[in-house]
Amino acid sequence: DAGVTQSPTHLIKTRGQQVTLRCSPKSGHDTVSWYQQALGQGPQFIFQYYEEEERQRGNFPDRFSGHQFPNYSSELNVNALLLGDSALYLCASSSHSLIYNEQFFGPGTRLTVL
Amino acid sequence: AQSVTQLDSHVSVSEGTPVLLRCNYSSSYSPSLFWYVQHPNKGLQLLLKYTSAATLVKGINGFEAEFKKSETSFHLTKPSAHMSDAAEYFCVVSGAGGSYIPTFGRGTSLIVHP
Repeated sequence: DAGVTQSPTHLIKTRGQQVTLRCSPKSGHDTVSWYQQALGQGPQFIFQYYEEEERQRGNFPDRFSGHQFPNYSSELNVNALLLGDSALYLCASSSHSLIYNEQFFGPGTRLTVL
Repeated sequence: AQSVTQLDSHVSVSEGTPVLLRCNYSSSYSPSLFWYVQHPNKGLQLLLKYTSAATLVKGINGFEAEFKKSETSFHLTKPSAHMSDAAEYFCVVSGAGGSYIPTFGRGTSLIVHP
């Protein structure tokens, strides 16, 4: 089992550009959550996808959007990039059928906006 | 709204001595509480979780935590630190105040001296 995988590992963009990050959940998991972790901070919840729909959303602007595919993999899209979007973006997968279930995290994608 | 406060940004111990990482939360309901560890360039790993069962929770790698409702605390302890324990530790609250969006603390960096 490969666990949660994310791509790319690192990404450099310029202000105003758009970016897409990808996540494959752990085998058997059907729920994907995305987090933003700024340097020196704890992860902040962006949103969660289940059954190809956004189920919960944190306090992030509409520039942040996502998608979940039938195979449960997910994408995070960020439009009109700002310098403040530079961060480690973490994907976590879990099983919707388990309440208070453990989330398994991927290694993250390091996004740098210049 | 739920929140979590990690009382120390850095904790420094000698190898073989006890570890104490402190966490306080705010809640109107009985929350679920978690501790995650993040090693450099690796994903977050769950150490342990409290979900309204026993108040003393045992986790991996010899870590444990005690839920104290009267003090709204969930401190992480380990009797004897190893060099491999050096990492960033995050306390997480979920379900407090009716919100199931997990809220991470800012993290505590554990430094272990030989």
